[in-house]
Amino acid sequence: KNEVEQSPQNLTAQEGEFITINCSYSVGISALHWLQQHPGGGIVSLFMLSSGKKKHGRLIATINIQEKHSSLHITASHPRDSAVYICAVIQDSNYQLIWGAGTKLIIKP
Amino acid sequence: EAGVVQSPRYKIIEKKQPVAFWCNPISGHNTLYWYLQNLGQGPELLIRYENEEAVDDSQLPKDRFSAERLKGVDSTLKIQPAELGDSAVYLCASSFNDRDGELFFGEGSRLTVL
Repeated sequence: KNEVEQSPQNLTAQEGEFITINCSYSVGISALHWLQQHPGGGIVSLFMLSSGKKKHGRLIATINIQEKHSSLHITASHPRDSAVYICAVIQDSNYQLIWGAGTKLIIKP
Repeated sequence: EAGVVQSPRYKIIEKKQPVAFWCNPISGHNTLYWYLQNLGQGPELLIRYENEEAVDDSQLPKDRFSAERLKGVDSTLKIQPAELGDSAVYLCASSFNDRDGELFFGEGSRLTVL
């Protein structure tokens, strides 16, 4: 079993829909990252969380430390949001960065 | 402020040739990562530095890959000799610390081995 599990693996939605991507992890963490990578592009950090909730524009990230679960939400989705979204956690025992497999999001106009 | 700077952006070499990639992290960032990314796949860690110390190099193929971060600032990743399977994007990332620092990635160095 992978230490970081993301769901869904692939998601196709219509423009304007509310999007949720989930991340569950099985190790103790000091922080969790949500990252974005457009096709052929570089990796961009969206959020770093150790507790609670963060919002940036149309993106919202939440984390529940007790349940070892985080969600990334996109409101009013747009075709330019089409990208791979990656959850990665920093394991608190050795500060190793453990990556999820990514969620490929396609937003259709 | 400049982000993580990598060079070269693109490199084409013949197999068995050496190649080197350079990374300058964001000023003040103590943690530096080198990743390898194949097309359509996630990044794979090669090495993680805390200042000048390599704290995790367990995934670095040490027979042909080497890395250094002598003064705890910029870093070089070398492959000698390169093999066809080394064709990939080599990504450098940095953060203020490895515990809870925000991650910043460079644009990557795309290597093609012919």
